[in-house]
Amino acid sequence: EIVLTQSPATLSLSPGERATLSCRASQSVGSYLAWYQQKRGQAPRLLIYDTSNRATGIPARFSGSGSRTHFTLTISSLEPEDFAVYYCQQRSEWPITFGQGTRLEIK
Amino acid sequence: QVQMVESGGGVVQPGKSLRLSCAASGFTFSMYGLHWVRQVPGKGLERVAFISYDGRNTHYDDAVRGRFTISRDNSNNTLFLQMKSLRSEDTGIYYCAKDPGDRSSWGVGHFDYWGQGALVTVSS
Repeated sequence: EIVLTQSPATLSLSPGERATLSCRASQSVGSYLAWYQQKRGQAPRLLIYDTSNRATGIPARFSGSGSRTHFTLTISSLEPEDFAVYYCQQRSEWPITFGQGTRLEIK
Repeated sequence: QVQMVESGGGVVQPGKSLRLSCAASGFTFSMYGLHWVRQVPGKGLERVAFISYDGRNTHYDDAVRGRFTISRDNSNNTLFLQMKSLRSEDTGIYYCAKDPGDRSSWGVGHFDYWGQGALVTVSS
C-alpha cells in the first residue's frame, strides 16, 4: 500500500503567519492527493482535492501544490480558526490511505 | 445542505456484533457512492468500506473483509455497516462519508462530506 508521510508532526505558528505543510508518498500518486482539516471533536473536512482544487466553501488562503510523491498545503495567512490537525489522503491506488497528520498549533 | 448522521455505536464485547446506520439528506442519495471511514486511536484514519451508488459494487479493507458488510437503502437514504466478530482493534470513531463521483461504479476516492461519527468501543 502507499504510505503517506506528513511533516512536521507539529507546527507552531502565530495568526497572520504563513503555514507550509508537507506530504510525501512512498510511490507516485500522480495528482490524486487530497487534504483535510480536523478540529477537536469534529469530523474531517475536505479542503483540497486532486492536489490543487479547493473544495466548496474553502477560503482562498488555502492552496495545494505538488505532484507524484511530494505535495504541499499552504495557508497564506493563518486565521485563529485554522489551528487544527491536517491530513493528506491519496486515491491513486487502493487501499486508499491517509497520512498520520500534522498538528498546527498556536505559538 | 448535506447532512449525514450516524447512529448505532456503543460498547460491545469482543466477538459480538453491531450495526451502524447513516441517515443522509441534502443530496440525491441514489446517485453517489458512500464510504465508511474509521479513526482509531494511535492508527489514524482508515477507509474500511465502500459501496457504489446502486449497491452493485462493494470493497473492504483487508482488516475487516469477511467480518463487515456495507449496504444501503436508496429508498430511505440510509447507509449501513454490519460488523461481526468484533475485535478490540476495531475500537474507534466510525464516519460515513460521501464520494463526489456522480453515478461512478467505484467512486472517485475522496470524501466531500462526512457525518459527525459514531463511537464503537470493543471491550470485555
